Formats: sequence, C-alpha cells, structure tokens
Amino acid sequence: KAGVTQTPRYLIKTRGQQVTLSCSPISGHRSVSWYQQTPGQGLQFLFEYFSETQRNKGNFPGRFSGRQFSNSRSEMNVSTLELGDSALYLCASTVGPTNEKLFFGSGTQLSVL
Amino acid sequence: GESVGLHLPTLSVQEGDNSIINCAYSNSASDYFIWYKQESGKGPQFIIDIRSNMDKRQGQRVTVLLNKTVKHLSLQIAATQPGDSAVYFCAESLQTSGTYKYIFGTGTRLKVLA
Repeated sequence: KAGVTQTPRYLIKTRGQQVTLSCSPISGHRSVSWYQQTPGQGLQFLFEYFSETQRNKGNFPGRFSGRQFSNSRSEMNVSTLELGDSALYLCASTVGPTNEKLFFGSGTQLSVL
Repeated sequence: GESVGLHLPTLSVQEGDNSIINCAYSNSASDYFIWYKQESGKGPQFIIDIRSNMDKRQGQRVTVLLNKTVKHLSLQIAATQPGDSAVYFCAESLQTSGTYKYIFGTGTRLKVLA
C-alpha cells in the first residue's frame, strides 16, 4: 500500500508569492492533517480535513488555507509568502474519523527568499 | 501555549545497548500518545502508540511506558542498531468533539555509536 504522497518535494519561492502544496493520503484514509515543521518550533498544527470539511484549525494567519477533495486528496495554499514561512510542510492521514495514528508523508521543503 | 517534550537533546548509545528516550507532556487530560521516528530528509514515522488506560505497551524491539502521575512518557529501544539513529519525538493528544488534536514535542536525537 502506498504511503502518504506529497508534491513537490522542494520549493523555492520569493517573498510575496503564493504556493500550493499537494497531498495524497494513504488509500482508504479520509482524514488529512497539515503541519509546519521548523527547527525552533517543532511540529505546529495547521488544519485537519475529514470528508472535505475542515474540522480543526491551528493558530496560523489567514494566509494559510487548505481544502480537501472528494477523493480525499488535499491541498494547502500559502499566499503572500514571508521569510518565516520557510519550513517543512508535512501532511498526515488517518483512516477513520477520530484521527488516530497519524501517518506522515515526506513533506515539502519550502524555502522563501 | 502548551508544549510537549524538551529542547532537542542528544542521546548517544553504543550499538547493541538499550536506549531510553524520555518525554514530558503537559496536559493531564491527554488520553492518547504516539512516538515517532524522523530520519534526516524524511517525514515522521509512526513507531508505537499507547492509550491513557495503559501503563506499558510493547512492539518489535520497542516499549512505551506511560506514567500519568508525573506526566511522563518513555520509549525504550532494545538492542539499538545503527538504523535507529534519528530524531524521536512524542505526541500527546486529547479527543475533543470526536477527533484527536495533537501536540508534538521537539524531540531527542539518538546517535548510535558503532
């Protein structure tokens, strides 16, 4: 069974630009969560989707948004990029509605110049 | 805000020895915990989980211990191997409105010495 797939693997953007990251969950998994990982802050929760509905949201500005499609694939978007947005963005999926046992993808490494 | 774990320390162990990685969690109401392993350039890999109604759970070469009295979680790795070198971090979670919300620690770096 394929794991969580995230694309692209690496991204370099400049301040002010926007970016869209993609996540394909494990087949059969319906919940997708997004996290930002930085050396100083560890993993910070962005948002979680289940059956195309955002169920939870972390403490990030409105520049960070996401969505989930009917096939459970998810995208997150960051608009008006700032230098501090440079991070590893991780997607995790779980099979059921309770969001147990998060399985992570390899992440998208975003560098903002 | 709440936080789990400590600043990123490093634990160095000899190949073949047992490793013990510790984690302090913050919310006494947390009822589900997970240990992850993260190798350089990769995403976190699920190792083992434990619910708050258990004190101990064993997997293949790994054991997780939960001490709710002092809000402490530990991961024991038996016969540590070079492939165990990675950053390990714990996550605590509390089921709210039918779904778990996680707080992750910053982790411990495990170095296995040959």
